[in-house]
Formats: sequence, structure tokens, C-alpha cells
Amino acid sequence: LAKTTQPISMDSYEGQEVNITCSHNNIATNDYITWYQQFPSQGPRFIIQGYKTKVTNEVASLFIPADRKSSTLSLPRVSLSDTAVYYCLVVSGGATNKLIFGTGTLLAVQP
Amino acid sequence: EPEVTQTPSHQVTQMGQEVILRCVPISNHLYFYWYRQILGQKVEFLVSFYNNEISEKSEIFDDQFSVERPDGSNFTLKIRSTKLEDSAMYFCASRETGMNYGYTFGSGTRLTVV
Repeated sequence: LAKTTQPISMDSYEGQEVNITCSHNNIATNDYITWYQQFPSQGPRFIIQGYKTKVTNEVASLFIPADRKSSTLSLPRVSLSDTAVYYCLVVSGGATNKLIFGTGTLLAVQP
Repeated sequence: EPEVTQTPSHQVTQMGQEVILRCVPISNHLYFYWYRQILGQKVEFLVSFYNNEISEKSEIFDDQFSVERPDGSNFTLKIRSTKLEDSAMYFCASRETGMNYGYTFGSGTRLTVV
């Protein structure tokens, strides 16, 4: 599985757009990129996933360049409740699709 | 929105005792997983389960651990003889077939071994 690298922490203010970039230089052809959010003492929550180009849902956008060696999670207009750890994961397209979590990015949103 | 339900939310047990952690995955999901997170550390994969058998397990999932899907709805993790280092949050997760779906995690069971 491709190793991912993302910032340990980020700070933002309410109402700002936040972009968290993740690098995954060794991503394989059948791997896809997925992002999860985790609040303290809760299970991770799926945010978004994609294979290439841009994916958007009701909470976030995911930008993946053509070489797929990085990806950027974009959170529009964050609020205090978006303070959490955000994980970028590369998932193999195999049968079990297990998730291998890193340390994630702790996003702190301030008023 | 469908949920993965885990019980109990918190369990305290004495070292050497057996514990069973219970999970009810989302009804139309076919893949089931257990993960754990020791306080302050990463979320770690334990085991995946599909078609009534283990499809993959990690090094953590040794002979002290077992999983079972005793009926059509429950998915359990048993730790036969708990150790202090088994203290952690244990998360159950499930997902649908296909590449377009993420996992749904439960809210976890906090296991404290004393």
C-alpha cells in the first residue's frame, strides 16, 4: 500500500476554506484515495473518495491531479465543529480494501 | 442515515478474563471489519470478514482474538484472555460491495483491562 504524507496539524478560522494536501508518491494503478474525519473518542467518518480529477459531495471536494501522486481535500467555510483529525488513505482495489491509517492532520478551527 | 451499532460503549474487565464486543453492521453491507485505537495512537486494522470467513487479519489479531457472525445481524469480536495492553477503543466497520462506498464505522467500545 502506498505511504501517505500529510501535515501533522493545521489552524484555521471559522468561515475560511481549508485545503489539506496529502502526498502518495507510490500510488498504484488500482488504488484509490479516500479521506476520513475523526472526532475524539469516536469512530472515523467517511468524507469522500476518488480515483482521479475532482470529486465533490455535500461536505467536501477532493482534487486529484493527473499523476495521482497527491490529493487535496477542500473543506468550504469551516466551522468550529470541523475541528477534528483528517486522514488521507490510499486503498488497494483488492478484495478486503482494508484501511491503513496514519497519524492524520489535526485541524483546529478557531472563532 | 444507517448506523453501525456497537455494544457496550464501555467495558471494564480484569486481566485474564474473556470479553465479547458486539456489533450490528448495516443490514445490506457484506464486508465487516474490526479496528482498534490505543489512546493517543493510530487506528489499527485487526481483521476483515466476508462471506462468513476471515479474509485478512493483522499481526495484532493473534490466537487470543476471534470473530464470529453468529446470526444474520451480529458481528462479534472475542478476546479470550485479556491483557493490560488490550485496553483500547475497538471500532467495528462495515461497507457495501463495490469501490464507490466508504466504510461506516461504529462509535466504538472502550475496553479497559485492569
